[in-house]
Amino acid sequence: GAVVSQHPSRVICKSGTSVKIECRSLDFQATTMFWYRQFPKQSLMLMATSNEGSKATYEQGVEKDKFLINHASLTLSTLTVTSAHPEDSSFYICSANEGGRGNTIYFGEGSWLTVV
Amino acid sequence: QKEVEQDPGPLSVPEGAIVSLNCTYSNSAFQYFMWYRQYSRKGPELLMYTYSSGNKEDGRFTAQVDKSSKYISLFIRDSQPSDSATYLCAICRTSGTYKYIFGTGTRLKVLA
Repeated sequence: GAVVSQHPSRVICKSGTSVKIECRSLDFQATTMFWYRQFPKQSLMLMATSNEGSKATYEQGVEKDKFLINHASLTLSTLTVTSAHPEDSSFYICSANEGGRGNTIYFGEGSWLTVV
Repeated sequence: QKEVEQDPGPLSVPEGAIVSLNCTYSNSAFQYFMWYRQYSRKGPELLMYTYSSGNKEDGRFTAQVDKSSKYISLFIRDSQPSDSATYLCAICRTSGTYKYIFGTGTRLKVLA
């Protein structure tokens, strides 16, 4: 299957700083990428949908200025958590879709963010 | 009504049992169905996908879709302790803007 790589897998940052998480499609061009947040033992919560070259579409309740999403190329999307707060500590997962492979989406390995 | 409903479990079965995992959905506009397996602290891994009503088999896994009832299932035969994970169903609307909806996930534990 297709490979989506996410980096870093684990990051610890101080309150007030910003942290960037990268999501790369390694063997296909991802026209659409999705960012999710997942709390322990809970389901995926879609944060935003990003299409290459355009602004991300954020889900209701997700702060655009806090969670900056950039999808500058067909293989890379980034999520930047700005002015991180301990409440932002969570598991962040990206997924990607390539039209040529049908409608299937493939997930990255996830990134654990801990804000101290 | 949620667009997709999935029993969160947990579901505990003995090794070798046949496991049945199920989801229901409410909108017939969703025409593409996927099952993912997620181990603790990992990203979801695609197991199977299908467009059609009926069964699709891959090794020990069978995905079943009944569009008339808006019901999808994943069967795992000869379950193993390594199958212990959370299983997520996902539905996709393929007309207009793509939209993916995930179930809450069912936690499965296969006991050795």
